Amino acid sequence: AQSVTQLDSQVPVFEEAPVELRCNYSSSVSVYLFWYVQYPNQGLQLLLKYLSGSTLVKGINGFEAEFNKSQTSFHLRKPSVHISDTAEYFCAVSANTGNQFYFGTGTSLTVIP
Amino acid sequence: ETGVTQSPTHLIKTRGQQVTLRCSSQSGHNTVSWYQQALGQGPQFIFQYYREEENGRGNFPPRFSGLQFPNYSSELNVNALELDDSALYLCASSFPGLAGGDTQYFGPGTRLTVL
Repeated sequence: AQSVTQLDSQVPVFEEAPVELRCNYSSSVSVYLFWYVQYPNQGLQLLLKYLSGSTLVKGINGFEAEFNKSQTSFHLRKPSVHISDTAEYFCAVSANTGNQFYFGTGTSLTVIP
Repeated sequence: ETGVTQSPTHLIKTRGQQVTLRCSSQSGHNTVSWYQQALGQGPQFIFQYYREEENGRGNFPPRFSGLQFPNYSSELNVNALELDDSALYLCASSFPGLAGGDTQYFGPGTRLTVL
């Protein structure tokens, strides 16, 4: 089975500052990795995903993430955050032989004006 | 192209009752997955349906059951409701199904409260 750990439950950051949201995973097989964002009272929206190839993945809204197999990490970054980035962010993993997503417990990003 | 829709938006039930939640998948998607998201937690996989057959199940008891219809819409049924079933229930659709790595597109969810 797979599992995901999001190390920070809450991350406050000032507007226009950079941010990194950390995600580590555990799996005995190769995996696919995802970051989703959830705005209040809404469903989840895909930010980006890693399937194979380049370990640096660029997503929507200026976010990017880097897959590091040796450290089993998939950290999400943005060089300059906006107020509108305030939301809950979830890291997820699925095995490359399966269909089930395993989500982390989420990181609440609050952008301070 | 319409996205994933779910109904109802909110629901209040009492312990012991039964509930049915509905999901319409995104156009062209033949796979539907259901998740339970408790307050302050990440979504937990309940099960997935592919072409009307169950195609994977998470660690949920048999009182959680589902259906997928020929038009790929889906229902989640929960019998003998317990207080801990209070959560946001999310439906996600994808295509072509079966293989990992397919993006799952989520609906807005149904908020179930069990009293």
